[in-house]
Amino acid sequence: DGGITQSPKYLFRKEGQNVTLSCEQNLNHDAMYWYRQDPGQGLRLIYYSQIVNDFQKGDIAEGYSVSREKKESFPLTVTSAQKNPTAFYLCASTGTLSYNEQFFGPGTRLTVL
Amino acid sequence: LAKTTQPISMDSYEGQEVNITCSHNNIATNDYITWYQQFPSQGPRFIIQGYKTKVTNEVASLFIPADRKSSTLSLPRVSLSDTAVYYCLVGVGDNFNKFYFGSGTKLNVKP
Repeated sequence: DGGITQSPKYLFRKEGQNVTLSCEQNLNHDAMYWYRQDPGQGLRLIYYSQIVNDFQKGDIAEGYSVSREKKESFPLTVTSAQKNPTAFYLCASTGTLSYNEQFFGPGTRLTVL
Repeated sequence: LAKTTQPISMDSYEGQEVNITCSHNNIATNDYITWYQQFPSQGPRFIIQGYKTKVTNEVASLFIPADRKSSTLSLPRVSLSDTAVYYCLVGVGDNFNKFYFGSGTKLNVKP
């Protein structure tokens, strides 16, 4: 089945630690995105990537980093510089036929202890 | 970047038709209007997309007036499982990478 997978589903980390969230897609989509969602709020764009080896900052990129070495993969690292990292993180992708239709993964809930 | 305004919440009863309206006064000429549905602790799911007039699929209808400054998502005969948050997005036409998700509309369907 084609889709987007994110792992882990739940993640706990101590303050001061970096942590990497995985996002993989087998939809052959070019563009991939990372969003952050806080309780009761909408989604905010962290980073996005149109093609391999290229990515752009979204609205809240500070304290986060990404890489796009493969078309299928777009991992997000939450660094210790992110002051309030506890949130629900969502990865998405879009194909060239319909840029407005984003396919989302199941999300990773990160909790900083 | 065109932003949107939606009601924060709406209540309905099973079997009713629900209409959720979204304002997007700054919509650009080549922007499309897209609606997503999100259940708790899940990623949003695409519902419908349109440019003008009316679009209908197996799940919903989307009505867009001639000036395109607003749009209305219509859900026919809702059920309890339609309880979710609904987001209206306006895609920046020549920069498809930037989507703005507002707070959405929390639809609560009662029995």
